[in-house]
Amino acid sequence: NAGVTQTPKFRILKIGQSMTLQCTQDMNHNYMYWYRQDPGMGLKLIYYSVGAGITDKGEVPNGYNVSRSTTEDFPLRLELAAPSQTSVYFCASSAEETQYFGPGTRLLVL
Amino acid sequence: AQKITQTQPGMFVQEKEAVTLDCTYDTSDQSYGLFWYKQPSSGEMIFLIYQGSYDEQNATEGRYSLNFQKARKSANLVISASQLGDSAMYFCAMRENKAAGNKLTFGGGTRVLVKP
Repeated sequence: NAGVTQTPKFRILKIGQSMTLQCTQDMNHNYMYWYRQDPGMGLKLIYYSVGAGITDKGEVPNGYNVSRSTTEDFPLRLELAAPSQTSVYFCASSAEETQYFGPGTRLLVL
Repeated sequence: AQKITQTQPGMFVQEKEAVTLDCTYDTSDQSYGLFWYKQPSSGEMIFLIYQGSYDEQNATEGRYSLNFQKARKSANLVISASQLGDSAMYFCAMRENKAAGNKLTFGGGTRVLVKP
């Protein structure tokens, strides 16, 4: 099992550009999550999903969108990138209690 | 008010000694879970240990143990026999309201540096 995979690993965006961060899990987990981690800080929840077709906002959803058309995939869309979105983005999944994280995507918006 | 507080931004520990990382939490839920994750310099988040609010015994996983004091709302991580590879950031997290998606709230982290 690959667990949780994320692509790309690193990306530089210009202000105003858009992109999609990909997240895939092969553990058949119902729950999936997107977090961001700013330098020197803990993780903050952006969006989450309790199953295919169901998504909901977390603590910091502004500027992002998600979809969950399959159990395996949970892409995060950034529209009109801003410097404040420079961060490391983590995707996670869980069956019950424990969340397992992907390796992260480092995003720089200039 | 912060839901998860880690008051130690950084600490040194001598190799082979034990270290305790503090974590206090705030919740009105009766059912909740507490987690510790390790983040080495490579950046990945590694699950270490979990404690449920109804668990009567403190959780242990190898060299990691969780000192759960429910009345004090604390969930401190104890790492025994520290190794150089334990140098990392450590995050405490809490899961509240299981019906709302098992979401986690993270503390600000504690950086541990193990000295040889």
